[in-house]
Amino acid sequence: DAMVIQNPRYQVTQFGKPVTLSCSQTLNHNVMYWYQQKSSQAPKLLFHYYDKDFNNEADTPDNFQSRRPNTSFCFLDIRSPGLGDAAMYLCATKGGAQETQYFGPGTRLLVL
Amino acid sequence: AQRVTQPEKLLSVFKGAPVELKCNYSYSGSPELFWYVQYSRQRLQLLLRHISRESIKGFTADLNKGETSFHLKKPFAQEEDSAMYYCALMVGGTSYGKLTFGQGTILTVHP
Repeated sequence: DAMVIQNPRYQVTQFGKPVTLSCSQTLNHNVMYWYQQKSSQAPKLLFHYYDKDFNNEADTPDNFQSRRPNTSFCFLDIRSPGLGDAAMYLCATKGGAQETQYFGPGTRLLVL
Repeated sequence: AQRVTQPEKLLSVFKGAPVELKCNYSYSGSPELFWYVQYSRQRLQLLLRHISRESIKGFTADLNKGETSFHLKKPFAQEEDSAMYYCALMVGGTSYGKLTFGQGTILTVHP
């Protein structure tokens, strides 16, 4: 009955090699978020979609991009991963006027 | 810019003891505050929100605008309460609902 699904759960990539993380949801929520959580730190919002409206946080590096082809899916693309991009990446969703965000289990990215 | 501070990274108590996890915020607007919890090997999930003034799993949290605090309390801690707790501030209204998280507090309840 998973509502927010992230694949893969673990991703290993090489320095500079593009990588894509995926998130899907069965909640039909119109808002989807991507957070980055480095070790022992708080989750930090990278960007979010309100329907197809993309909103980038001011301090999100250009190296990070996102796509949302439909309501259910959202992708995080890291064009040229650096060692500093190793982190847990969390996807979350929210529906309309509801306040609660529903989180996926996260994808742990390792950059070699 | 908004900010959430959780001064305690680690908090240990014994079963049955009262527990209080501290959270302070700074925000120029009207705050909407939440506590999220992450149990071992589980995903981050909402514990409670200030606007509903509810008690979940025996936890309560009161928004104190004068002290800009939203401390989480439970009178009698249980071992199953051991988890990572995040205080979060929502901005952008309920439409966009962007969360700013505190650093988190790891609560350990000893038997």
